[in-house]
Amino acid sequence: DTAVSQTPKYLVTQMGNDKSIKCEQNLGHDTMYWYKQDSKKFLKIMFSYNNKELIINETVPNRFSPKSPDKAHLNLHINSLELGDSAVYFCASSQGRTSGPGTDTQYFGPGTRLTVL
Amino acid sequence: ELKVEQNPLFLSMQEGKNYTIYCNYSTTSDRLYWYRQDPGKSLESLFVLLSNGAVKQEGRLMASLDTKARLSTLHITAAVHDLSATYFCAVDGWDSNYQLIWGAGTKLIIKP
Repeated sequence: DTAVSQTPKYLVTQMGNDKSIKCEQNLGHDTMYWYKQDSKKFLKIMFSYNNKELIINETVPNRFSPKSPDKAHLNLHINSLELGDSAVYFCASSQGRTSGPGTDTQYFGPGTRLTVL
Repeated sequence: ELKVEQNPLFLSMQEGKNYTIYCNYSTTSDRLYWYRQDPGKSLESLFVLLSNGAVKQEGRLMASLDTKARLSTLHITAAVHDLSATYFCAVDGWDSNYQLIWGAGTKLIIKP
C-alpha cells in the first residue's frame, strides 16, 4: 500500500494555465506539507497544514493555494502558471508529537514533475 | 532563525573509501533527521536522532548527533556504488509550524 501518493506524476502545461496536483496519505497523520524542489535539489517548504490550520511560507506567491477536503488529502492549485514554477513538487505527511511542539518523521510522496512551457 | 548547513555539497569518492558528511545548525533543536534521495526519486527517511550523543547505524551508514556543538555527521564506511545519492539533513524547528529546516543536500557519487 502506498503511504503518500500524488497525481499526476508528470505535468506539462503552457504558461498562464491553471493546474492542480492531488495528494493523499493513508498513514493517519495529522499534518501534511507541500514542498518545491528546484533543479539544484534545494527543498523549499511551501505549506504545512495541521488540523485545518494552514501555515504559509510567506515567500510563496498567492497563485499557489492548498486545499484540504479532509485530513488525508491536501491538494495544490496553481493559477496563472509561470516558467519559474517548473520544478518537482513533493507532498509529505507526518504526525505531530504527542507532547510539545515539533513534528515526527515526514514521509514523502513520489513527486510531481511540473514543466511549464 | 534556524539555519542548517551541510558540507560538502558535492562529494565524489572511490568505492571502498570512508567519508563523512557534516550538518551544522544554528539554534537549539532536539531532533535531527537524515534523508536519502536517489536521482529522479522521492526522499526516504534514513535516521532520526533524538538526543545528544545519539548514534544510529544501518549497513555502511552511521549517523551521530552532538547537540552541544549543533553538529550531526553521516559517516560512510567502505563506500559502495549503491550508496550514490543525495543526502539531506533536516532539523526540527521545534515550533508550532510543524516544519523541518532542511540543509541544501550533499550529492554523493561513488565510483567503482
